[in-house]
Amino acid sequence: AQTVTQSQPEMSVQEAETVTLSCTYDTSESDYYLFWYKQPPSRQMILVIRQEAYKQQNATENRFSVNFQKAAKSFSLKISDSQLGDAAMYFCAYRRAGSQGNLIFGKGTKLSVKP
Amino acid sequence: DSGVTQTPKHLITATGQRVTLRCSPRSGDLSVYWYQQSLDQGLQFLIQYYNGEERAKGNILERFSAQQFPDLHSELNLSSLELGDSALYFCASSVGDRGPEKLFFGSGTQLSVL
Repeated sequence: AQTVTQSQPEMSVQEAETVTLSCTYDTSESDYYLFWYKQPPSRQMILVIRQEAYKQQNATENRFSVNFQKAAKSFSLKISDSQLGDAAMYFCAYRRAGSQGNLIFGKGTKLSVKP
Repeated sequence: DSGVTQTPKHLITATGQRVTLRCSPRSGDLSVYWYQQSLDQGLQFLIQYYNGEERAKGNILERFSAQQFPDLHSELNLSSLELGDSALYFCASSVGDRGPEKLFFGSGTQLSVL
């Protein structure tokens, strides 16, 4: 069975600095998708970034980028120029290609941003 | 605003009762997904409907059921409620039904079973 592990329950970063959130996953599939979701205090789940496993190039979305290491089954999220609004729970998620709906989430990392 | 509407936002009920959670997907989205978020289990996929038909089932208890109506809104029915059913229940929607599609989540229904 596929699993997603986020080893950092909490992280803290100074405003304007860079922080990296870790995620590892376990799967025997070769084709899949990886996601980072943000959950602010409003509870809304917001997609931050996604990566297709068949793409070697790391995905980027403005200040958010990933380091996807397929062989190591690692998918970390880097947030550059951290802002106060980045404070939230961040969830790493996995979805097998062709899979209908079954996003497998990690336990989450709570990110605090210090002014 | 994701465009996905969930009602009610909060629900307080007693053990043994039955409740219905409602979800309206984004305009044009055919798939609806239900997720449960609890402190001990984290985020768990419950069930997915696509254009009115059940498409995938996850860790959904037999006491729980769902359906998607012709207007594409969905309802999650929880019966014989137990204390452990207290959780945040999310609905999400997407255009299609698989792969890398972006899921748009509602703001959830917080269920408290007393």
